Amino acid sequence: GQNIDQPTEMTATEGAIVQINCTYQTSGFNGLFWYQQHAGEAPTFLSYNVLDGLEEKGRFSSFLSRSKGYSYLLLKELQMKDSASYLCAVRDHSGYSTLTFGKGTMLLVSP
Amino acid sequence: EPEVTQTPSHQVTQMGQEVILRCVPISNHLYFYWYRQILGQKVEFLVSFYNNEISEKSEIFDDQFSVERPDGSNFTLKIRSTKLEDSAMYFCASSDGEKLFFGSGTQLSVL
Repeated sequence: GQNIDQPTEMTATEGAIVQINCTYQTSGFNGLFWYQQHAGEAPTFLSYNVLDGLEEKGRFSSFLSRSKGYSYLLLKELQMKDSASYLCAVRDHSGYSTLTFGKGTMLLVSP
Repeated sequence: EPEVTQTPSHQVTQMGQEVILRCVPISNHLYFYWYRQILGQKVEFLVSFYNNEISEKSEIFDDQFSVERPDGSNFTLKIRSTKLEDSAMYFCASSDGEKLFFGSGTQLSVL
């Protein structure tokens, strides 16, 4: 089975840095993904880690430790538009790229 | 930029009726998916489709559900005899084998 945990809510201030953690226990692992979802909209791809370490992409970075079953998403220079739900998702080993999502972390950025 | 398109954006139906949700995946993608998200809950996997057949399905995807790729571009989800608890946002997604790209969803309301 799959178990993916992330905090339910976080708050931060515009311009700040925030780290959203995700831990997972899965029967197979072939990559960890982060998606952003604004209310009422589709998830949009942010980042992807399959090997341990840090992947940087502009204001967003994602880290993975496979041995610890742990990832985080780091958002820098927060903007009001970053207020959204951030979804951690694990790809299993099936080869069909199916993702299993966590419940998401609602981030509220305040002025 | 290529995108996944879904129609309709909203569908209201009476309990017991059949609905068909339609999707046009990104043209060179080979993997197709349906996910759903009940209001306030996580994104849940329903089914994946590859090489003109179902490759994986979840416990949610019971005999009430079926998928079809009737031609070279469309991918449909049929829900027979809808129930109140089928009310959710249904997302179609397609993949190049690495990242999943989601459509904007169909909001299904069963009355």
